[in-house]
Amino acid sequence: EAGVAQSPRYKIIEKRQSVAFWCNPISGHATLYWYQQILGQGPKLLIQFQNNGVVDDSQLPKDRFSAERLKGVDSTLKIQPAKLEDSAVYLCASSFSLGGNEQFFGPGTRLTVL
Amino acid sequence: KNEVEQSPQNLTAQEGEFITINCSYSVGISALHWLQQHPGGGIVSLFMLSSGKKKHGRLIATINIQEKHSSLHITASHPRDSAVYICAVGGDSNYQLIWGAGTKLIIKP
Repeated sequence: EAGVAQSPRYKIIEKRQSVAFWCNPISGHATLYWYQQILGQGPKLLIQFQNNGVVDDSQLPKDRFSAERLKGVDSTLKIQPAKLEDSAVYLCASSFSLGGNEQFFGPGTRLTVL
Repeated sequence: KNEVEQSPQNLTAQEGEFITINCSYSVGISALHWLQQHPGGGIVSLFMLSSGKKKHGRLIATINIQEKHSSLHITASHPRDSAVYICAVGGDSNYQLIWGAGTKLIIKP
């Protein structure tokens, strides 16, 4: 079974530029999560989708971050414009459904904002 | 006080030693997860448990629901076990994970 795919693996941009990350969850997984992990900290949930609907985006900085999962399968996370403090690993995870299911993580995208 | 507390924060041991990492939580949970994160950033799920004990190879995870405590044990530790081990709990409402800060484990040859 293929795992969660993410791209790119690494990205370096200058502040005020835009960047987009892509995630393809495990086939059949209805729930998709985007996390931000700053160096030395645990992951912080940015947004959670159930199919193509948003379950929770309370910690998403909506002035600069946006995410979509239009067809309920793959998802994109965008930052526009980027700030220095956005430097982090962005992790995508998926699970079969809401409620007690194991989350499977992708390899992450390491973003450096200069 | 954090809802999920891990100890120790850092652990250095010699190859072959028996390793124990602890996790205490203060919220009601549906399940507790142990995950492993290597320096490259990817996270691998090791265990998901809601009671008792699970074993996979040299890894053993236990949970005591009454005491709200879990332990991750590594037997016959090896340098390739060096990683950050994270405890995370799934709440009993929308099941978002509450993450511990992680334990950085270094196994020296």
